[in-house]
Amino acid sequence: AQSVSQHNHHVILSEAASLELGCNYSYGGTVNLFWYVQYPGQHLQLLLKYFSGDPLVKGIKGFEAEFIKSKFSFNLRKPSVQWSDTAEYFCAVNAAGAGSYQLTFGKGTKLSVIP
Amino acid sequence: DAGITQSPRYKITETGRQVTLMCHQTWSHSYMFWYRQDLGHGLRLIYYSAAADITDKGEVPDGYVVSRSKTENFPLTLESATRSQTSVYFCASSEGYERTSGGVIYNEQFFGPGTRLTVL
Repeated sequence: AQSVSQHNHHVILSEAASLELGCNYSYGGTVNLFWYVQYPGQHLQLLLKYFSGDPLVKGIKGFEAEFIKSKFSFNLRKPSVQWSDTAEYFCAVNAAGAGSYQLTFGKGTKLSVIP
Repeated sequence: DAGITQSPRYKITETGRQVTLMCHQTWSHSYMFWYRQDLGHGLRLIYYSAAADITDKGEVPDGYVVSRSKTENFPLTLESATRSQTSVYFCASSEGYERTSGGVIYNEQFFGPGTRLTVL
C-alpha cells in the first residue's frame, strides 16, 4: 500500500517569509496528487491538484506545488505567506495506476504565521 | 443549499453505546468516504462506498459499520463506542475517475464540516 510522508510537523514563519512544505509518497506507478488545507475549526478544502502535464501546478491563494517524479515528491510552496495562511496542510495521493479509489493522506503539517 | 453535510456536529456519548453519524451530499457523487482525524495520525480512511449498496473497508474499519441504501446518504455507526473512537469524523464525496484524452483523472474529494465525537 502507498504511504505519504510529510516531514515537517509544525512550521512557524513570519509574515512575508517564503514557504516550502515537503511531501513524499511511496507508490511507483501513476499517481494523482493533492494538497488540502484545513483552516482552524473548518473542514478540508482543496488547495491544488496534479494529474498530468506541467509538473508545476498553481493553486488558489498563491500556492503552487512541483511534482518531481524521480524524487516521488510533491512539495508545496508559497513565495510570501500571510497570517491568514495559518492552517494545517495535508498532502494526499491517489494510486491511479492501481485503480484505487482511495486517497492516502500524510499526517499533516501545521503552519503558524506570525504577524 | 447544495453540498455535503454531517450531523450531528458534536456528540458526547458513553462507552458501549451505539452512535450513528450521518452524512448527506446533494451532488449525486458516486463515491463517499468516512475518515477519522486524530492528532499525529492525520486522516485515516474508515470505510468507503463506490455506489449505493457497495461498501468496502478502509485502513481502520474495526468497530464501525456503514450502509448506503441511497446514493446521497452514507451513515457511519459505532456499534459499541469505545474511548479510542473519540475523534473528529469527516465524510467526503467524489465523482471518482474521469477518463480524458490526457489520461485518467481522479476527481477531488469534497469534505463535510466534520463531527466531533467524544466517548466517555
